[in-house]
Amino acid sequence: GENVEQHPSTLSVQEGDSAVIKCTYSDSASNYFPWYKQELGKRPQLIIDIRSNVGEKKDQRIAVTLNKTAKHFSLHITETQPEDSAVYFCAASIEYKLSFGAGTTVTVRA
Amino acid sequence: NAGVTQTPKFRVLKTGQSMTLLCAQDMNHEYMYWYRQDPGMGLRLIHYSVGEGTTAKGEVPDGYNVSRLKKQNFLLGLESAAPSQTSVYFCASSYIGTGGETQYFGPGTRLLVL
Repeated sequence: GENVEQHPSTLSVQEGDSAVIKCTYSDSASNYFPWYKQELGKRPQLIIDIRSNVGEKKDQRIAVTLNKTAKHFSLHITETQPEDSAVYFCAASIEYKLSFGAGTTVTVRA
Repeated sequence: NAGVTQTPKFRVLKTGQSMTLLCAQDMNHEYMYWYRQDPGMGLRLIHYSVGEGTTAKGEVPDGYNVSRLKKQNFLLGLESAAPSQTSVYFCASSYIGTGGETQYFGPGTRLLVL
């Protein structure tokens, strides 16, 4: 099955700085790559996604890049704010089934 | 439109007891999923369903059974609970077609097995 690795496991950034989370996947058949944000005690919420026919996608302060050849994709958060503190999960999809990374705990320091 | 709902929110079981977790969605989605979430391990797929009357195994199916008798409901059963099944369980749903890969999650059920 698909194996998704996510790094780093924890990330502490100063408010206003950028945060980058990287993921790799193993199965070249994966064609959809969502990122979820999960606040403490809450459900995972989709924040951005990218499909295999696109190299980059941006939505305000967040962006995702995909390198199909290298089988890795990244989440970029610019101008971080305290409300960005959460656990972020990447995932890769094959035939509507998601395989998740282990998560990155992001802490934004004021 | 409530989206995806789960009952119960929290449950404590003794080893060997059984229980059923209920997931309901009102978005007319074809696909439904059950995940478990453990610290440091992300979400792992237990079972999933591609439509009413169908179920399939995911990554960690042992010790669980599921049923999808109605399109809007997906039940997860534990026949004989074990401490290793202590976890947070999330249900999700998605639709077929363009953009249908996006999964929408329920609020979760926290299960403690003593």
